[in-house]
Amino acid sequence: GAGVSQSPSNKVTEKGKDVELRCDPISGHTALYWYRQSLGQGLEFLIYFQGNSAPDKSGLPSDRFSAERTGGSVSTLTIQRTQQEDSAVYLCASSSPRTVQETQYFGPGTRLLVL
Amino acid sequence: QKEVEQNSGPLSVPEGAIASLNCTYSDRGSQSFFWYRQYSGKSPELIMSIYSNGDKEDGRFTAQLNKASQYVSLLIRDSQPSDSATYLCAVRAGGTSYGKLTFGQGTILTVHP
Repeated sequence: GAGVSQSPSNKVTEKGKDVELRCDPISGHTALYWYRQSLGQGLEFLIYFQGNSAPDKSGLPSDRFSAERTGGSVSTLTIQRTQQEDSAVYLCASSSPRTVQETQYFGPGTRLLVL
Repeated sequence: QKEVEQNSGPLSVPEGAIASLNCTYSDRGSQSFFWYRQYSGKSPELIMSIYSNGDKEDGRFTAQLNKASQYVSLLIRDSQPSDSATYLCAVRAGGTSYGKLTFGQGTILTVHP
């Protein structure tokens, strides 16, 4: 079946602009995660949605970052007033917690460059 | 101290050799451990998961877990040039079977012919 999809695949923006990144999880997966991978850095957790529960926002680096998930499916990560340090690959993953130990499957990522 | 640490690498092995990748974690309550492979410019893909102490084998890959030592490793036997990639160790903290993963910095592996 189809995997996790993300759009756009690449985004170049100017400092101070807002950007929206989209993630479409695997059909039937109720859990959705956003991670960030900066050049030379490991993956950094940002936010986690599970069904109708309140999201775990503990990884969001500042209040410029927000995310929502509509209808338990598609998610949008919004970065307001972008800064150069926001440049990174933003990865989305989804999983099905119905399995005993859920596996997270990653999308191709959105490469964000803030000039 | 970082929550998840991997041997810094880069690691270079000849084709056919065994590649050994190591990872330590700080949260003693961690229950789930994963190895992901990431090719340059691509997203991570799961290679192995392990939850119990001991060894778990899948083809040329063996994951080893020692919770007492807070240590998890990945062995790749008969290494192939196609195994050249960055290997990421990931840990799920706490006692839940779902939730965020904490990743190590990754180890770059190069398998040379």
